[in-house]
Amino acid sequence: QKEVEQDPGPLSVPEGAIVSLNCTYSNSAFQYFMWYRQYSRKGPELLMYTYSSGNKEDGRFTAQVDKSSKYISLFIRDSQPSDSATYLCAFLTQGGSEKLVFGKGTKLTVNP
Amino acid sequence: DTAVSQTPKYLVTQMGNDKSIKCEQNLGHDTMYWYKQDSKKFLKIMFSYNNKELIINETVPNRFSPKSPDKAHLNLHINSLELGDSAVYFCASSQGVATDTQYFGPGTRLTVL
Repeated sequence: QKEVEQDPGPLSVPEGAIVSLNCTYSNSAFQYFMWYRQYSRKGPELLMYTYSSGNKEDGRFTAQVDKSSKYISLFIRDSQPSDSATYLCAFLTQGGSEKLVFGKGTKLTVNP
Repeated sequence: DTAVSQTPKYLVTQMGNDKSIKCEQNLGHDTMYWYKQDSKKFLKIMFSYNNKELIINETVPNRFSPKSPDKAHLNLHINSLELGDSAVYFCASSQGVATDTQYFGPGTRLTVL
């Protein structure tokens, strides 16, 4: 079983749609959960960061973590064309060698 | 002001050549990283330095050698380039350990012919 699984898409939605992006993971040592956004030909940028199960909201974005199911989600409300990018989930263990483990990314296109 | 900068942005070279990629951060961060993103967009860490000291060294061929002359710079030298080295290489930095937000550079697109 892969350490992180993320559907690469592509995902295409109309403007205003609610978008749901998901990742599953197998490593119980992951303690920190992140979503990065990467625009075409740019470096990734941190979008959301959480370390506990439950929901975290930031504007139109909500990150959801379910540690018992080893499942994380990112919801985008009222999606905009400017949200078109690749979204990568990322995970971090604590202790030992702390390194970010990324999913393969989901490419999202929001059509006006 | 660019927070994390990389040069060059594009690099096209022949197999067998040696090349370097430079990275500089002006955020005053203590930790810097090199990542490789392959053609399938899979982003994977290669190295991490904290205050010029190597702390993460993933399973990377020893043709890749990072060098940190000071904590604001982390360069990547690649010897005897191979076709499989073609990828986008990202430099990143964070204040301290990996739990701090990592800021990525714009990437260097390396093509080996």
